[in-house]
Amino acid sequence: QKEVEQDPGPLSVPEGAIVSLNCTYSNSAFQYFMWYRQYSRKGPELLMYTYSSGNKEDGRFTAQVDKSSKYISLFIRDSQPSDSATYLCATNMNRDDKIIFGKGTRLHILP
Amino acid sequence: AAGVIQSPRHLIKEKRETATLKCYPIPRHDTVYWYQQGPGQDPQFLISFYEKMQSDKGSIPDRFSAQQFSDYHSELNMSSLELGDSALYFCASSLTGIHEQYFGPGTRLTVT
Repeated sequence: QKEVEQDPGPLSVPEGAIVSLNCTYSNSAFQYFMWYRQYSRKGPELLMYTYSSGNKEDGRFTAQVDKSSKYISLFIRDSQPSDSATYLCATNMNRDDKIIFGKGTRLHILP
Repeated sequence: AAGVIQSPRHLIKEKRETATLKCYPIPRHDTVYWYQQGPGQDPQFLISFYEKMQSDKGSIPDRFSAQQFSDYHSELNMSSLELGDSALYFCASSLTGIHEQYFGPGTRLTVT
């Protein structure tokens, strides 16, 4: 079993819709949680990170972590075609540790 | 803002050849990480360096070695290349105590 599970999609939604992306993880020792966006043939781009449980908002993006259920979410409001990419959830135990990624969800925003 | 630089961006090698991938971290970043991403896969951690010393090791084959130099750039050396080594190789850098790892554009290695 992978330490971080993520539905690979693809997920297709119309422009302007709210997108919900989710992951689960198995190790309760994970403390830091991240979302990376990766366009085809490009490097992962850090979108959001949170420490422990809670919510964090940045513009159209909201990250949620529920450590009691080991569940990580990313919400994208007012989705745009430029949001079409693969979204990778990720986690690690301590600062400066290696990152463990989910397999990524391919998202398509339809104009 | 300056980003992580990787070179070369594309590399084609034959089986049993060697390859060297280079990574130049964001200025002032002291920690470098190497990840391998196979086709349709998530990035897998290979190795990391802090202040020129190896800080962690993941699923890196014995045929691979890496080091970090005094200017903080890092090189990943890959020998006896196999077809299965074909992948995207990412370098990421961070500043100790600051959480974010910033990824470079990657080197696409194709072994034929």
